[in-house]
Amino acid sequence: QQPVQSPQAVILREGEDAVINCSSSKALYSVHWYRQKHGEAPVFLMILLKGGEQMRHEKISASFNEKKQQSSLYLTASQLSYSGTYFCGTGTSGTYKYIFGTGTRLKVLA
Amino acid sequence: DGGITQSPKYLFRKEGQNVTLSCEQNLNHDAMYWYRQDPGQGLRLIYYSQIVNDFQKGDIAEGYSVSREKKESFPLTVTSAQKNPTAFYLCASRSVGGQGGAEAFFGQGTRLTVV
Repeated sequence: QQPVQSPQAVILREGEDAVINCSSSKALYSVHWYRQKHGEAPVFLMILLKGGEQMRHEKISASFNEKKQQSSLYLTASQLSYSGTYFCGTGTSGTYKYIFGTGTRLKVLA
Repeated sequence: DGGITQSPKYLFRKEGQNVTLSCEQNLNHDAMYWYRQDPGQGLRLIYYSQIVNDFQKGDIAEGYSVSREKKESFPLTVTSAQKNPTAFYLCASRSVGGQGGAEAFFGQGTRLTVV
């Protein structure tokens, strides 16, 4: 089942922070986060592994909750370039299936 | 440069016509995927393949077919059975070794319109 992201949409002023959540009905063993600009393909931002290891991208970080069924993406001091739609992506243990969350549209205003 | 090439970028289909979208990768990835994206919506999995001559249905496979005769190629056919095919189609590939699996790499997409 497709992970559910919240909020569906958010509008920020430059410099403000935002949190995007990705919730799954099953435990997530790894999560990838992507950003998609209008009319373009998604671009990989960062990976969050089961042990909590993560890569940071610019002023963006991510975490798992205790039960590993939710991942959150933190955008700090947002810039105009952060505008786009954010997706979480995750594999299914034991298969090659790879699915995406429902998406969060983020718009940063000057 | 390694990457994924989708063609054509824009495609117009008449009612009742089958069309094939091309996807080629030179990243040496085992797994390949097709996703459909409707305006303002997320990415939904159509089909995926982990090895040559083997593929699996995703969440919205009805009205679509695929083949994987070569590791590099994963074409998608949109058949006349797909009643609402107008959408943005994205092909992706992944290397699935290592902890957690790797991220997906995408082609630039094909925008299909029914006329």
